[in-house]
Amino acid sequence: AQRVTQPEKLLSVFKGAPVELKCNYSYSGSPELFWYVQYSRQRLQLLLRHISRESIKGFTADLNKGETSFHLKKPFAQEEDSAMYYCAVGGSTLGRLYFGRGTQLTVWP
Amino acid sequence: DSGVTQTPKHLITATGQRVTLRCSPRSGDLSVYWYQQSLDQGLQFLIQYYNGEERAKGNILERFSAQQFPDLHSELNLSSLELGDSALYFCASSVERGGTDTQYFGPGTRLTVL
Repeated sequence: AQRVTQPEKLLSVFKGAPVELKCNYSYSGSPELFWYVQYSRQRLQLLLRHISRESIKGFTADLNKGETSFHLKKPFAQEEDSAMYYCAVGGSTLGRLYFGRGTQLTVWP
Repeated sequence: DSGVTQTPKHLITATGQRVTLRCSPRSGDLSVYWYQQSLDQGLQFLIQYYNGEERAKGNILERFSAQQFPDLHSELNLSSLELGDSALYFCASSVERGGTDTQYFGPGTRLTVL
């Protein structure tokens, strides 16, 4: 069963516009949610993890357990934000992280 | 730099051949994961090892196999290669079994099968 859904394969915005990358998960326990970023097919890097409640590069994500969502947001997109973004869910009974299929974000100048 | 290393960086080979990809996890990490990333399939989980033992299997073909050695490095063996096996292969590591652990990714091995 697919545990993470990222409904948008591609997302384009203009520089300075707000951006929201959607992520929905399915897990009956207490989830751990992650966002990873991949620039130009390089290694995946951890962007943020909900438990740390940090804001990295201006991105934030709020865990909504009612809607089982963990959407990634940034109020003003920059060209350097263009990358592939992966959402992942983990949990104490899962044994590993489950990744979504990713959203390719393009920020136009 | 996540501390996870992978060799080789690039690999070009022919159909029917066999190759071995190598991964060294971060110091202290016990779990190793292998992923395949192709343009049309996205990131696909292949297999996980924890402290030398196979822990979980994903969409790994029977032509592919992996192992984790006592020093915790891991190798992914791909045999009878087909054109469709051309992809980026990533290794990741985490401290424990992985249910809630952050995974740290290596730079990947780009495999091209001609």
